[in-house]
Amino acid sequence: QQQVKQSPQSLIVQKGGISIINCAYENTAFDYFPWYQQFPGKGPALLIAIRPDVSEKKEGRFTISFNKSAKQFSLHIMDSQPGDSATYFCAAVQRAPARQLTFGSGTQLTVLP
Amino acid sequence: NAGVMQNPRHLVRRRGQEARLRCSPMKGHSHVYWYRQLPEEGLKFMVYLQKENIIDESGMPKERFSAEFPKEGPSILRIQQVVRGDSAAYFCASSPDRSGYTFGSGTRLTVV
Repeated sequence: QQQVKQSPQSLIVQKGGISIINCAYENTAFDYFPWYQQFPGKGPALLIAIRPDVSEKKEGRFTISFNKSAKQFSLHIMDSQPGDSATYFCAAVQRAPARQLTFGSGTQLTVLP
Repeated sequence: NAGVMQNPRHLVRRRGQEARLRCSPMKGHSHVYWYRQLPEEGLKFMVYLQKENIIDESGMPKERFSAEFPKEGPSILRIQQVVRGDSAAYFCASSPDRSGYTFGSGTRLTVV
């Protein structure tokens, strides 16, 4: 059972464009929603995260939009750069006790120069 | 302050052999999580440990897989009698307080 659904599977954007990745969840016990960036041969690295009491969070070129009623959240990458080319995973964390991450299936982003 | 250290980076095992994957968490982190990533897929939770205790192993296969996090030394993920389907990247993440997870670079296991 896939608890966090992510789309699209792959995305190609021109340099300077906006990259948008969407995720949806079903489990209302999730209370923390991070996004991770992964380069080939590396582990995921935290990019930005949001809690459900906030509708938007911005850090530099990266913005999370969160719609609690629709159980959806998205990552926007403004002014996309070739160095942003990586795989992006949305995730959700369930309330205690374990608080493990449940990941989406990933989006492979390619930013063309 | 070194990050989460995983070794080996690459591990090749023949079918039926044992695989031991090690994870040294960041200094001060007492929570360790193991995840498995199959090719072209997201990471799947396997097990959550604190020092000397397995807290949640709901994502770990019931047979052949075991994990430990001893009082001294790294956390170990052990896979006995490996099969081709065990080929994957195994990631460890540590946390000081079950948030702010930091991932290692993973161990890529290939079963031949």
